[in-house]
Amino acid sequence: AQSVSQHNHHVILSEAASLELGCNYSYGGTVNLFWYVQYPGQHLQLLLKYFSGDPLVKGIKGFEAEFIKSKFSFNLRKPSVQWSDTAEYFCAVKGDNDMRFGAGTRLTVKP
Amino acid sequence: DARVTQTPRHKVTEMGQEVTMRCQPILGHNTVFWYRQTMMQGLELLAYFRNRAPLDDSGMPKDRFSAEMPDATLATLKIQPSEPRDSAVYFCASGLAGIYNEQFFGPGTRLTVL
Repeated sequence: AQSVSQHNHHVILSEAASLELGCNYSYGGTVNLFWYVQYPGQHLQLLLKYFSGDPLVKGIKGFEAEFIKSKFSFNLRKPSVQWSDTAEYFCAVKGDNDMRFGAGTRLTVKP
Repeated sequence: DARVTQTPRHKVTEMGQEVTMRCQPILGHNTVFWYRQTMMQGLELLAYFRNRAPLDDSGMPKDRFSAEMPDATLATLKIQPSEPRDSAVYFCASGLAGIYNEQFFGPGTRLTVL
């Protein structure tokens, strides 16, 4: 079965700082990869997804993620964060069966 | 604008009481997932259904939890009897079976068991 690791539990940044959140997975087969965001008090929403093709995926709100197959990684990036990006971010991997979520990374952006 | 709906949004109950949470998946979706989110454990998959049949409920405490899909428009998650450690936010998500499809999450039910 697949598993997902998110390295950072809580990241604190100032506005305009660059962001990179790590995500590694363990699964030998073909995977689809997702990043979900959960704003305070809200439900999970899809930020971006990778199925195939260009390993650099652009998502909403200026986010992007890069799939590096050799490293089993799918890190999330944003060049310049805003206060409104304060949220919890979940990496998810879908293999043959169900989707597995990472533990989440809480991002706090200071104004 | 199709959405997953969940009721109730908030539930406060006493230990030992039965709790039923409901989910209406997006029309046409044939997979339904139940997740539990807590500060300590993060997001845990409890159960999921495909075409109303339970495919995996290994994440669910069998002695007190049960999940069903009486029809394609309704999924239920029951806890009987409830315990304080069940306090969490319970999310339902739906999607289309197949490796390429994402899950769409509902707003969640925040359960507090006193």
